[in-house]
Amino acid sequence: DAMVIQNPRYQVTQFGKPVTLSCSQTLNHNVMYWYQQKSSQAPKLLFHYYDKDFNNEADTPDNFQSRRPNTSFCFLDIRSPGLGDAAMYLCATSSRRTGDNYGYTFGSGTRLTVV
Amino acid sequence: DAKTTQPPSMDCAEGRAANLPCNHSTISGNEYVYWYRQIHSQGPQYIIHGLKNNETNEMASLIITEDRKSSTLILPHATLRDTAVYYCIVRMYGGGADGLTFGKGTHLIIQP
Repeated sequence: DAMVIQNPRYQVTQFGKPVTLSCSQTLNHNVMYWYQQKSSQAPKLLFHYYDKDFNNEADTPDNFQSRRPNTSFCFLDIRSPGLGDAAMYLCATSSRRTGDNYGYTFGSGTRLTVV
Repeated sequence: DAKTTQPPSMDCAEGRAANLPCNHSTISGNEYVYWYRQIHSQGPQYIIHGLKNNETNEMASLIITEDRKSSTLILPHATLRDTAVYYCIVRMYGGGADGLTFGKGTHLIIQP
């Protein structure tokens, strides 16, 4: 089945140690998104890639970066994780190609713990 | 995107219909109503969407009032697996490439 896969499901990192979360998709969608969801809160959009174009949300901290080496993969890099960055990180995809369904497909998320 | 208002939580007995309301009084003519749900520790899942006509699929029904200022998501025979946070989102179809903006949603708890 076509899907959005996030690895790992659980990630523990040390305070200040760079960490990378990964997302892959088999849907061939041209837009990929990263959300942060803290405990008991709604998902909050960090940024998205429309094809190769990176679009950052205005309030996303500089500590968060992203890479999209090809259509299928997108990475979230946290340069210096703080305790406040502990959260579930969700990847989502969508297609903006003419004739495609414009729905969003989410991965199962990576739960990040900072120690 | 128009703002939505949902009750923070609701209970429903297993096997009964769950009716989740959403107010979107500032909705504009070209905005659709979308519903997503998020089961604990999973990513959000699409349920249904509509513009002005009532919609039904294998998961749920969506009833939109004639003035489009509110809507109700109906899960006809709720099961324990329907316990989740349900998000009502208003946006244009396609809506550019912007991501979904989630409100606080309704935490639906299905009671055995």
